[in-house]
Amino acid sequence: QTVVTQEPSFSVSPGGTVTLTCGLSSGSVSSTYYPSWYQQTPGQAPRTLIYSTDTRSSGVPDRFSGSILGNKAALTITGAQADDESDYYCVLYMGNGIVIFGGGTKLTVL
Amino acid sequence: QVQLQESGPGLVKPSETLSLTCTVSSGSISSYYWSWIRQPPGKGLEWIGYIYYSGSTNYNPSLKSRVTISLDTSNNHFSLRLSSVTAADTAVYYCAREPPRGRYFDYWGQGTLVTVSS
Repeated sequence: QTVVTQEPSFSVSPGGTVTLTCGLSSGSVSSTYYPSWYQQTPGQAPRTLIYSTDTRSSGVPDRFSGSILGNKAALTITGAQADDESDYYCVLYMGNGIVIFGGGTKLTVL
Repeated sequence: QVQLQESGPGLVKPSETLSLTCTVSSGSISSYYWSWIRQPPGKGLEWIGYIYYSGSTNYNPSLKSRVTISLDTSNNHFSLRLSSVTAADTAVYYCAREPPRGRYFDYWGQGTLVTVSS
């Protein structure tokens, strides 16, 4: 069974830069998996940040960026702000149409 | 602005069938994929499955035997049925839209909590 892996938690200082990653239990993530990233605060529906590896969704600040780093997809937040403190989920699309969410990363800004 | 709204019972008894509807407003159901996603309390998101406007479906293998997603284009809504529920199916259930060839979710409903309990 394929598992999408994310760091359970991460911490960043205000104004700092943080890179969250999204990997596969077996194999490498590439753009063919159409990695996307979602931000979720408690009690709210997820918000779409990045899709197709590196395309920002409408209205998303350019301090959020997506890429492939090595064998993983990555979400980089440059100049972290207090309201970036959220859970972040990556999603990968398998070749058979199956969609898999990562376990999520809880980001703390302090 | 497309809006999605989940509706259905907030409490379902064990072994019964969970049924939810997602109503799409300010947009057509045609030409998109429509998904259901859930999130158990305090846990991560899990994709349940999708239906394409043509009626074709794809389900999470771990839920496939219990899931049915259907579409009502005339009323602009789609539905989820999950049979033989247990407490492990207690979750916030979200509906979401995926644009054609998009491979991502661009619009989400606000979510609805379904509790499985006798």
